[in-house]
Amino acid sequence: EDQVTQSPEALRLQEGESSSLNCSYTVSGLRGLFWYRQDPGKGPEFLFTLYSAGEEKEKERLKATLTKKESFLHITAPKPEDSATYLCAVQGVSGSARQLTFGSGTQLTVLP
Amino acid sequence: SAVISQKPSRDICQRGTSLTIQCQVDSQVTMMFWYRQQPGQSLTLIATANQGSEATYESGFVIDKFPISRPNLTFSTLTVSNMSPEDSSIYLCSVGMDSSYEQYFGPGTRLTVT
Repeated sequence: EDQVTQSPEALRLQEGESSSLNCSYTVSGLRGLFWYRQDPGKGPEFLFTLYSAGEEKEKERLKATLTKKESFLHITAPKPEDSATYLCAVQGVSGSARQLTFGSGTQLTVLP
Repeated sequence: SAVISQKPSRDICQRGTSLTIQCQVDSQVTMMFWYRQQPGQSLTLIATANQGSEATYESGFVIDKFPISRPNLTFSTLTVSNMSPEDSSIYLCSVGMDSSYEQYFGPGTRLTVT
């Protein structure tokens, strides 16, 4: 069974204070690892897909990296508008086709 | 990517009634999914909506409680039947892109059962 664990559960940063969110995963075979951003009362917004260890993707202040056991979402010089819950999900080769297994998320608050 | 809309965006329903949630996509997609997000929790897959065949349900979810229709490649509905307060959640539809493994989500339907 695929499993995803995210840490920390909550993170408070000052504006400009860089940090990283962790996503540890266990899958029988990884098709892809996904990062989403979710604002309160809204659906998850797609950020990145990572397919293999060593892969990195960047978008504005966000950078996602992947190893064989975990992924990091690095946030550089965050701004208050980066405040949201960040969700990590994996898609393994077992289970339903295209099924995503989600972690519980990291709630990020960036203070001005 | 895909643009996904859901109706209604929120509803408050009485115990024992049913609610049908609609999901519309701006392009034809093979795979559509329904998720539930209970208060303060992450997303759990309810079922995969298959066009032209029965939906595929995950463990813990049954067709009698969550009947799903998928009449074409751009539309699906999820019905929450005989509701109880435990069904109060956000219900989300998503689509899987045929050209990649990515999934995109709709804005969600916030359901409160009293």
